[in-house]
Amino acid sequence: DTAVSQTPKYLVTQMGNDKSIKCEQNLGHDTMYWYKQDSKKFLKIMFSYNNKELIINETVPNRFSPKSPDKAHLNLHINSLELGDSAVYFCASSLTGGRGYEQYFGPGTRLTVT
Amino acid sequence: QKEVEQDPGPLSVPEGAIVSLNCTYSNSAFQYFMWYRQYSRKGPELLMYTYSSGNKEDGRFTAQVDKSSKYISLFIRDSQPSDSATYLCAMSAGAGGTSYGKLTFGQGTILTVHP
Repeated sequence: DTAVSQTPKYLVTQMGNDKSIKCEQNLGHDTMYWYKQDSKKFLKIMFSYNNKELIINETVPNRFSPKSPDKAHLNLHINSLELGDSAVYFCASSLTGGRGYEQYFGPGTRLTVT
Repeated sequence: QKEVEQDPGPLSVPEGAIVSLNCTYSNSAFQYFMWYRQYSRKGPELLMYTYSSGNKEDGRFTAQVDKSSKYISLFIRDSQPSDSATYLCAMSAGAGGTSYGKLTFGQGTILTVHP
């Protein structure tokens, strides 16, 4: 039973390309997040959606565009990929009602830009 | 200066040792304090959470929060090789609006427990 799943698990691409990462959760949560973890393991929030509405939008280049078609899905599209975009991207989900700290993370998508 | 500071280690201890992991923070608005555990090539998983100051115990794990010092700790008793992972502290101001669910993480401490 996969709680939070991401596809693809690995993504190797060249600079300048456009790519998408998909996330799905079957926990019945209504809030979903994208995080970026750099090579030093530093995990930083990028976006969050609650019931398809954008809630958190950190200082992220506008080459990154999240989309939430419904409560269970959150995608991340990245345009014009740069070397510095290489990282592990994690999707997470949680419930509202005071449980936002209890986030369930997916397995991550390891993006390598060459 | 980062909002949350955590010594990345690495920390290596023998099996059975007591492990102490710590974080300091600068944002006095933080009210929720969490510890996440991340095994290699996996996503983080919530280990413990504490609201405001105080202690919380769960089996071999004890979380402490001292808001006056802006300092939180995680203690692992009788450490096991299966505890080998990266431990991330995380904090949140809670409430609603644009702060809801916004976790600020420390860099993580890499822990190895050897048999």
